[in-house]
Amino acid sequence: AQSVTQPDIHITVSEGASLELRCNYSYGATPYLFWYVQSPGQGLQLLLKYFSGDTLVQGIKGFEAEFKRSQSSFNLRKPSVHWSDAAEYFCAANNAGNMLTFGGGTRLMVKP
Amino acid sequence: GAVVSQHPSWVICKSGTSVKIECRSLDFQATTMFWYRQFPKQSLMLMATSNEGSKATYEQGVEKDKFLINHASLTLSTLTVTSAHPEDSSFYICSAREGLAGELAKNIQYFGAGTRLSVL
Repeated sequence: AQSVTQPDIHITVSEGASLELRCNYSYGATPYLFWYVQSPGQGLQLLLKYFSGDTLVQGIKGFEAEFKRSQSSFNLRKPSVHWSDAAEYFCAANNAGNMLTFGGGTRLMVKP
Repeated sequence: GAVVSQHPSWVICKSGTSVKIECRSLDFQATTMFWYRQFPKQSLMLMATSNEGSKATYEQGVEKDKFLINHASLTLSTLTVTSAHPEDSSFYICSAREGLAGELAKNIQYFGAGTRLSVL
């Protein structure tokens, strides 16, 4: 069965520190991969996506993600976290436009 | 980026009444729209997928007579929770995609801000 796993339910980092949120997928073929961010009581905003090509993708708000086929991973990174980055982050995947499969989400808290 | 508007953002209703939630794509034509339900501190659960002009495809365990979905135009889909009960209280989120399955360049779902439904 297709699945997306985010191993970390909660992560706390200090403001200014670097961030890495983990995402692993299990699909028959390499899926298309996405990272979304959700602020409390809000919908989801697309941070970045990977379809093919360069395995390091740049997104909005200073985020980037690296696709690693050998590890079935698509980890999200940011060099320096800001307090406004505190939110829930979802990794998602699909095949050729079919339904998205979401990970369980990682809640990011930022310490001042 | 593409904008999806969802309305209302919050609704409180009495048990037994019906509630309609609207999802609009403001600057693109949404061939496909999706409806999700999200419980507190949990991920999104896909309820149904609708293509414009077709009947919605419901996920297993979702009552189609309870959650009526209409996708009558390329910019509007509605979810009606019929005879709502307290257990239907949840956060409902819609998303819209410009293309059909297989259209890679349009394979991005844009999400509305969600609707919090509270049934008393």
